[in-house]
Amino acid sequence: DQQVKQNSPSLSVQEGRISILNCDYTNSMFDYFLWYKKYPAEGPTFLISISSIKDKNEDGRFTVFLNKSAKHLSLHIVPSQPGDSAVYFCAAMVVTGGGNKLTFGTGTQLKVEL
Amino acid sequence: NAGVTQTPKFQVLKTGQSMTLQCAQDMNHNSMYWYRQDPGMGLRLIYYSASEGTTDKGEVPNGYNVSRLNKREFSLRLESAAPSQTSVYFCASSTGSNYLGYNEQFFGPGTRLTVL
Repeated sequence: DQQVKQNSPSLSVQEGRISILNCDYTNSMFDYFLWYKKYPAEGPTFLISISSIKDKNEDGRFTVFLNKSAKHLSLHIVPSQPGDSAVYFCAAMVVTGGGNKLTFGTGTQLKVEL
Repeated sequence: NAGVTQTPKFQVLKTGQSMTLQCAQDMNHNSMYWYRQDPGMGLRLIYYSASEGTTDKGEVPNGYNVSRLNKREFSLRLESAAPSQTSVYFCASSTGSNYLGYNEQFFGPGTRLTVL
């Protein structure tokens, strides 16, 4: 039972345009949602997060939107740059007193073309 | 500040061999985690340690053991490697259990393991 799903394995956009990466989840108990970015041969790096009580969080070129009723979130990158080409993982977390475990989606490979 | 370091970077084992993957962090984090990444599967949690002296199973613990050696170090052991354990292994750490609320996890560069 995959609790966090990224249904698009890949996405290709032109430099300067908007990239929209999508993520769906099934567990309504998740407290936070996070996006991680991963380059080849490196570990994932944190990009942006959103609390389950918010519907939007913005950080520079990156904005995450959360639609709780649809159990859906999306990451918008505007404008997209070639350096944004990477695999993007959506992850979700239930806050507990003992270590906050992340549940990851399967990732979306973003390619930003010149 | 090295962050999270992992050794080795690459390893090839034969079925039945054992090995230990090492992980260390220098951020004074309380919690540490081991994940594996397989094609089309995302990252899956193997074991985690909420704080020094505690360890717990994650989603896919079978075939693995862990040791939280001290606050800095968290090792993952394969006692009898199987081809199904061919994967990329990531260690992560976070400030962790001392406070409720969100805290991000910082990942190491990974160990690419092949079991023949």
